[in-house]
Amino acid sequence: EAQVTQNPRYLITVTGKKLTVTCSQNMNHEYMSWYRQDPGLGLRQIYYSMNVEVTDKGDVPEGYKVSRKEKRNFPLILESPSPNQTSLYFCASSLFPSAGELFFGEGSRLTVL
Amino acid sequence: AQSVTQLGSHVSVSEGALVLLRCNYSSSVPPYLFWYVQYPNQGLQLLLKYTTGATLVKGINGFEAEFKKSETSFHLTKPSAHMSDAAEYFCAVGVPYGNNRLAFGKGNQVVVIP
Repeated sequence: EAQVTQNPRYLITVTGKKLTVTCSQNMNHEYMSWYRQDPGLGLRQIYYSMNVEVTDKGDVPEGYKVSRKEKRNFPLILESPSPNQTSLYFCASSLFPSAGELFFGEGSRLTVL
Repeated sequence: AQSVTQLGSHVSVSEGALVLLRCNYSSSVPPYLFWYVQYPNQGLQLLLKYTTGATLVKGINGFEAEFKKSETSFHLTKPSAHMSDAAEYFCAVGVPYGNNRLAFGKGNQVVVIP
C-alpha cells in the first residue's frame, strides 16, 4: 500500500530535550516536505527536499533541522524543543516537484512542556 | 508569491443541504488549485484539483469545484451534505514550476447537523 509513515504519532517532551520525528514514504517520490498545523493558521511549511541531499527552508524553519540521506526518509529534528513548537506535524511527499498532488502522513502530535 | 483566502473557520450545514466552501486565490501566473480534506485524527487527502482544461472539476465523495479566473475563485460545493462530510477542508494554490510549495488556506471546519 502506498503510504507516508510518521513516528511517533504522539509525543510529550520537555523543553530542550532533542527529538526526531521520522518520516518514510514507499512511493519513490523525489519531493518530501514537513508542515506544521496550528489552530487558525492552517498548514505552514517548515522544510522541503527536492531530492537526496537537497533541502531548503520553508516558511517557518526556525528551531528545526532536516536531512535527506535516502530517497525514502526525511526526518525532522528538533535540537532544543520549546513550548512554541507544540503542534501537529505532517510529512508529505510528491512525485512531481511542480504543484502535483501531495501525499500526507497521518500526523505527529507533539507537546513540549 | 501565491496565497489563498478561506473565510469562515467554522461552517455548519444541515444534512441534505448544499455545502459551499469559498476559496479565493492570488497568483501572478496561471495557478494549480487544490482542495484537501482532513478527517479527525488523519492526514490530509486530495479531494480534487484543477491544473488545466475543464474549469469544472469533479472530485471524490460527490464534491466539485469550479475555477473562475475572472473572480480568482475556486469554490467547493456538494449538493447534499452527509454526516460523513464532517471534516476540515483546505484550499491550496501552487504554480506549474518550482519547488511544489503549495500555499494553504487556513481551513474550514465543517459541521453537519442532523
